Amino acid sequence: EDKVVQSPLSLVVHEGDTVTLNCSYEVTNFRSLLWYKQEKKAPTFLFMLTSSGIEKKSGRLSSILDKKELFSILNITATQTGDSAVYLCAYMEYGNKLVFGAGTILRVKS
Amino acid sequence: SAVISQKPSRDICQRGTSLTIQCQVDSQVTMMFWYRQQPGQSLTLIATANQGSEATYESGFVIDKFPISRPNLTFSTLTVSNMSPEDSSIYLCSVEEAGGPFNEQFFGPGTRLTVL
Repeated sequence: EDKVVQSPLSLVVHEGDTVTLNCSYEVTNFRSLLWYKQEKKAPTFLFMLTSSGIEKKSGRLSSILDKKELFSILNITATQTGDSAVYLCAYMEYGNKLVFGAGTILRVKS
Repeated sequence: SAVISQKPSRDICQRGTSLTIQCQVDSQVTMMFWYRQQPGQSLTLIATANQGSEATYESGFVIDKFPISRPNLTFSTLTVSNMSPEDSSIYLCSVEEAGGPFNEQFFGPGTRLTVL
């Protein structure tokens, strides 16, 4: 069965720390991998990755995909309290449907 | 990216009743989807809303329980029928804009439903 596994399930860090969130997947009809940040109700789009080894960056956030080893990481440098959220990883399969992992709960303490 | 709105933002309903959730986009989009997020869980796809034809439902979801309409390229509704407390969830629509073969999906603000 296709699935997405995120780790850790939760973590607590201090402001200024760097965090790495992991996402591994097993899927037969992979198209792309997406990262979202969810603070209240609506997930906010962060990145979409389709090619291995190409890092995408947006400010303090960056992400990379390894299609051979079937995983992706999301890095956040110099964390701030506003980074506290649930980070969701999802793969897109044919039909453009998203299959989500359980998420990583990040709490940044001041 | 497209601006997506959902109505209502939240609602509290009695069991046995139905609620229709609206999703409006400010531009034409090729694909619209409906997701559910039960308390403490991640997002699960309910169905793909197809313009001008019946929605495509995922395993475990049926049209009688979650009828969906999509009359045009900017609007869709999801009805949660004959509700029970187990239907208490956040319901989210997402859209994928037209373009190349790999398009980002963006989510609406969500509807928080509580069924008593």
